[in-house]
Amino acid sequence: NAGVTQTPKFRILKIGQSMTLQCAQDMNHNYMYWYRQDPGMGLKLIYYSVGAGITDKGEVPNGYNVSRSTTEDFPLRLELAAPSQTSVYFCASDGEANTEAFFGQGTRLTVV
Amino acid sequence: EDQVTQSPEALRLQEGESSSLNCSYTVSGLRGLFWYRQDPGKGPEFLFTLYSAGEEKEKERLKATLTKKESFLHITAPKPEDSATYLCAVQAKSGGYNKLIFGAGTRLAVHP
Repeated sequence: NAGVTQTPKFRILKIGQSMTLQCAQDMNHNYMYWYRQDPGMGLKLIYYSVGAGITDKGEVPNGYNVSRSTTEDFPLRLELAAPSQTSVYFCASDGEANTEAFFGQGTRLTVV
Repeated sequence: EDQVTQSPEALRLQEGESSSLNCSYTVSGLRGLFWYRQDPGKGPEFLFTLYSAGEEKEKERLKATLTKKESFLHITAPKPEDSATYLCAVQAKSGGYNKLIFGAGTRLAVHP
């Protein structure tokens, strides 16, 4: 039982490039979330999903897209990377909305 | 505006020196308050959920309490392995989902 797995752990992107951050969970959770964490700031919700095929925007969705074709996977897509997207990204899941959420190890992204 | 403020930003303790971390919040319609522990380079790890004023929960050297305006995380006789960032989050109703609003965290360092 691996929990929530994120890949890659680290990535450097050039301005304007695109990439997909992968997130997979093996706990059969319906709810999945993407957060970003900036130094000295709380985690900010980017997108969330309440089940396969259902996604919605969080607090800071601009510049990102998501999809949820299966219960297990919730990839985050960055189009046209900008320096403001330099951050640490966390994926999380839980069995009910915002209860005991399990977080992945994070992806540290730098846009130069 | 919904807001979570944690204090202090950083705390240095000697091993065995008990103290408390504070999480104050303003939110309309609190549904729950969560405490997480985050180690460097890792994702947050769930500690406690509190739902109503007067509620208390304990785990080893940690005890979380909740009032109508704030929560405290009491650390009794801390050890160096308690060093971490402690995050507080409140759950509030927002549109169609229960959003989690995170504080910026308290960085705790326990020295032998």
